[in-house]
Amino acid sequence: GENVEQHPSTLSVQEGDSAVIKCTYSDSASNYFPWYKQELGKRPQLIIDIRSNVGEKKDQRIAVTLNKTAKHFSLHITETQPEDSAVYFCAAQRGDQFYFGTGTSLTVIP
Amino acid sequence: EPEVTQTPSHQVTQMGQEVILRCVPISNHLYFYWYRQILGQKVEFLVSFYNNEISEKSEIFDDQFSVERPDGSNFTLKIRSTKLEDSAMYFCASSEAGTANTGELFFGEGSRLTVL
Repeated sequence: GENVEQHPSTLSVQEGDSAVIKCTYSDSASNYFPWYKQELGKRPQLIIDIRSNVGEKKDQRIAVTLNKTAKHFSLHITETQPEDSAVYFCAAQRGDQFYFGTGTSLTVIP
Repeated sequence: EPEVTQTPSHQVTQMGQEVILRCVPISNHLYFYWYRQILGQKVEFLVSFYNNEISEKSEIFDDQFSVERPDGSNFTLKIRSTKLEDSAMYFCASSEAGTANTGELFFGEGSRLTVL
C-alpha cells in the first residue's frame, strides 16, 4: 500500500518568515496530493492541493510543489502569521483511499 | 456552503457496548469515508463506501466495525463491542468524485468517542 512520510513533526517560525513542510510517498499510482490544516479540536480543512500532472501550484501565501520522479511534495507558506499556527497534514490519494502523513505542528511566534 | 454533519459530537460508552456514529454527507457526493484520529496522532483511514458497498477498508476496520447507508442521506459507522483502544475522534468525509477525477475530501466536525 501507500506510505506517506511527513517532516518535520514540529516547526516554529517567527512571524513573517517562511515555513516549509515536506512529504514523501511510495506508490507511483498516487495521483492527487492535498494539504489539510487542522486547528485544535476542529476538522481538517483543505488549504491547497496538486494533481500529478502539475509541478507547482500557488494560492496567495501558500504554494505546493510536486516532484513525481522523486515522489515528494512540499508545502510552502510565506509571510507567516500567527493564525497559520495549526497542524498541517499532507495526503496522497491512490484509488479511493487517502493516505495521510503524520502531521506537522506549526507554531508562528509573533 | 454545504457541510458534512456528524452526530453525536461526543459519546462516552462502557467497554463492550455497541456504538453507532452518524453522518450526513454532502448531498451530491458519491463517495463516503470514515477516518479516525487518536489524540495527537495522524488521521487514519478506516473505510470507503461507494455505490452502496464498501470499496476499500484498512486493517483497522475489522469484524467489530460495519458501515451502512440506511437511507438516502445517512451514513453510519457501527462498532459492535467497543474496546478501550477505540477511543478516538471519528471523522466522516465525503467526496464528489473518486478515482476518475480526484475530488476534494470534505470532513465533518468529528465524533469524539471515549470508551471507559
